[in-house]
Amino acid sequence: DVVMTQSPLSLPVTLGQPASISCRSSQSLVYSDGNTYLNWFQQRPGQSPRRLIYKVSNRDSGVPDRFSGSGSGTDFTLKISRVEADDVGVYYCMQATHWPYTFGQGTKLEIK
Amino acid sequence: EVQLVESGGGLVQPGGSLRLSCAASGFTFSRYWMHWVRQAPGKGLVWVSHINSDGSITTYADFVKGRFTISRDNAKNTLYLQMDSLRDEDTAVYYCARSISADGIIWGQGTLVTVSS
Repeated sequence: DVVMTQSPLSLPVTLGQPASISCRSSQSLVYSDGNTYLNWFQQRPGQSPRRLIYKVSNRDSGVPDRFSGSGSGTDFTLKISRVEADDVGVYYCMQATHWPYTFGQGTKLEIK
Repeated sequence: EVQLVESGGGLVQPGGSLRLSCAASGFTFSRYWMHWVRQAPGKGLVWVSHINSDGSITTYADFVKGRFTISRDNAKNTLYLQMDSLRDEDTAVYYCARSISADGIIWGQGTLVTVSS
């Protein structure tokens, strides 16, 4: 199975400051169709997960442009340009290139 | 309204069975691959199973192979997860999802399965 490794696992951030989460996969996530199926999800406390980014850098509908995804191959990053109080929660990367799909361990973002 | 609504969760003894349902509305259910994802209490997300649009292809995580069966009824716009030989470690909130790796993701609110004697 493809192992997804996130860092850091805990991310204290000051309001208004940027934040960055890294996700590394144990194999390349480039699929035979040329796409890279790397997603980012946010889970606020007590809520269902919500996808933010699909195929590395595509924002889902309604996601603020403060959130951006980048990367290629095995190395990916989620960036929040200016953290707001509403961003508190756990962030997961997930690969959907290889079966079985796999998630990272999660990164807990909190406000300093 | 485009939505997925899970049901069928509850308390079951180890070794028991449960069938989860996921009712789809607001979109053409038969066009989409569907997935089940679970989350144990206080833990991370784990992908469980997938089924293609006509039900002819299914895939499972190793830890449920031979115990869980995913299926769908496109006439009823419903996805199912038959869970047999349940174990304590299957305790989790189970979510169904559409388009998990493409534009237009839909994610249900989840149903809690508790396996305990």
